[in-house]
Amino acid sequence: QKEVEQDPGPLSVPEGAIVSLNCTYSNSAFQYFMWYRQYSRKGPELLMYTYSSGNKEDGRFTAQVDKSSKYISLFIRDSQPSDSATYLCAMSSGTASKLTFGTGTRLQVTL
Amino acid sequence: EAGVVQSPRYKIIEKKQPVAFWCNPISGHNTLYWYLQNLGQGPELLIRYENEEAVDDSQLPKDRFSAERLKGVDSTLKIQPAELGDSAVYLCASSLRTDNTGELFFGEGSRLTVL
Repeated sequence: QKEVEQDPGPLSVPEGAIVSLNCTYSNSAFQYFMWYRQYSRKGPELLMYTYSSGNKEDGRFTAQVDKSSKYISLFIRDSQPSDSATYLCAMSSGTASKLTFGTGTRLQVTL
Repeated sequence: EAGVVQSPRYKIIEKKQPVAFWCNPISGHNTLYWYLQNLGQGPELLIRYENEEAVDDSQLPKDRFSAERLKGVDSTLKIQPAELGDSAVYLCASSLRTDNTGELFFGEGSRLTVL
């Protein structure tokens, strides 16, 4: 069993929809949680960064962390075709520890 | 400000041939990472440098892979000899923070195809 599980999709939604992307994890030591966005043939770029539990909002994006359930989510409101990409969750236990990525969920936002 | 620069973007070689990838991190970023990304998978760490020192190379297959970061800036990753299973994207990343809390900046990657 992988430390971080993520549904690979693909997930197809119409423009304007609310998108929910999720990851589960097994390592209770994880404290730092990230969402990276990766466009085709590009490197990942950091989208959201959260420490410990709680919510964080940035424009149309909201990241949620539920450490008790070992579950993290990324919500995208008013989705746009430009949001079409692969979304990777990533997490770390902190100092000097490696970053563990999920497999990524491919999202397609259609007109 | 320039991002992380990698070259070559694409490389096609025959098995058993050597190959090298180059990375120039963001100016001022002391921490440099090499990741491997297979198709449909998330990146997996190969090696992490703090300045010139490789502080985590536990996932680097040392029988055929080697890396160096002379002078603590640019880095090269070498594979010799390449195998069919090495076909993947090799990503370089850098970060300003040394505590590895996840704020990484990635390059566009070097896509390797081994025939």
